[in-house]
Amino acid sequence: QQPVQSPQAVILREGEDAVINCSSSKALYSVHWYRQKHGEAPIFLMILLKGGEQKGHDKISASFNEKKQQSSLYLTASQLSYSGTYFCGTEAWQSGGSNYKLTFGKGTLLTVNP
Amino acid sequence: DGGITQSPKYLFRKEGQNVTLSCEQNLNHDAMYWYRQDPGQGLRLIYYSQIVNDFQKGDIAEGYSVSREKKESFPLTVTSAQKNPTAFYLCASSIGAGANVLTFGAGSRLTVL
Repeated sequence: QQPVQSPQAVILREGEDAVINCSSSKALYSVHWYRQKHGEAPIFLMILLKGGEQKGHDKISASFNEKKQQSSLYLTASQLSYSGTYFCGTEAWQSGGSNYKLTFGKGTLLTVNP
Repeated sequence: DGGITQSPKYLFRKEGQNVTLSCEQNLNHDAMYWYRQDPGQGLRLIYYSQIVNDFQKGDIAEGYSVSREKKESFPLTVTSAQKNPTAFYLCASSIGAGANVLTFGAGSRLTVL
């Protein structure tokens, strides 16, 4: 099952903040965040692991609530370049580790206007 | 430069024909993935492979087939059994399976006429 993302779309003015949420019905091993601009390949933003480890960009932050199987991506002081579709991907927890199956949500379209 | 090459970029097919999409990586990655992207549906996993000569079905494998005979190659065949094959197809790879960064190719857009 795909993780559920919210909101589906958000419009900001430059400098405003945004939060994108991702939730799963399964116990999670990791949560991934990617951004895709129209007509381009998705690019990596962040990985959050069960246990608290994070890998990603300095200018983007995210949280992972392991008990609730939820993650949030925080975009602060947004820039025009932040525009795009944001996807969360989840790996389920299985037999003490990952099930190695990365499943993505439907995406959140972020538009930043001048 | 290392990366993933998908070909062709655009492909047109008549109903009832099989078509194979190529995916080649020179990143020395063990794991490879195929996703399908439709408007409003996000990225849906078709097949994935953790190592050579092994692959698993994803969430929407029906009507698709893959092979992984070489580490660098993971071709996807869209068969005539796939009822709605028109879509954007993305191939990706990672160092290993499990909590690793995915690198995506530029994609292949398949249109069935």
